[in-house]
Amino acid sequence: KAGVTQTPRYLIKTRGQQVTLSCSPISGHRSVSWYQQTPGQGLQFLFEYFSETQRNKGNFPGRFSGRQFSNSRSEMNVSTLELGDSALYLCASSLDLWDGGSYEQYFGPGTRLTVT
Amino acid sequence: QKEVEQDPGPLSVPEGAIVSLNCTYSNSAFQYFMWYRQYSRKGPELLMYTYSSGNKEDGRFTAQVDKSSKYISLFIRDSQPSDSATYLCAMSAGGNNRLAFGKGNQVVVIP
Repeated sequence: KAGVTQTPRYLIKTRGQQVTLSCSPISGHRSVSWYQQTPGQGLQFLFEYFSETQRNKGNFPGRFSGRQFSNSRSEMNVSTLELGDSALYLCASSLDLWDGGSYEQYFGPGTRLTVT
Repeated sequence: QKEVEQDPGPLSVPEGAIVSLNCTYSNSAFQYFMWYRQYSRKGPELLMYTYSSGNKEDGRFTAQVDKSSKYISLFIRDSQPSDSATYLCAMSAGGNNRLAFGKGNQVVVIP
């Protein structure tokens, strides 16, 4: 099976712009979670989508949003970019309990966002 | 206090040594415990997944969970240079897919 894929792998944006990142989960996985990884804070949970609905949300401002499509692919959007948004954004998919899975999550390679 | 504490100090060991990593946590609701390995410029790779207290072994890797002490460990036996990576502990209370992560330990195995 193909793993989690994320596009683009690298992005450079300017403060104030917005950005959209994309994630395709492992086939059959309906749960997609997003995390932000920075050297200072480590990996922090952004939000989770399941069956096109946001199921959980972390402690991030409203500038961070996401959505999930009927094929389970997910996008996250960051508006009004700030320098502090520079990070590795990771997407993880899992075979949800509803589908006979567990809490194991499988990560993609990430999108490295640099805000200048 | 952070939910998950992992001393982020780097660890250098000679090839063949045992690597010992650990995390402590404060949220007694955590029931599912994971260890991930992350190579530079890659996403985290799931190494071990355990539920509740006890030991789990997979090849050269052993994960231990002591819920009474809120303490989890990962041991790597016969370490290889290819084990050089950052190791992250992660945990979940269940009921949702939100993982709380430690900050990670960078491990270097010297040939």
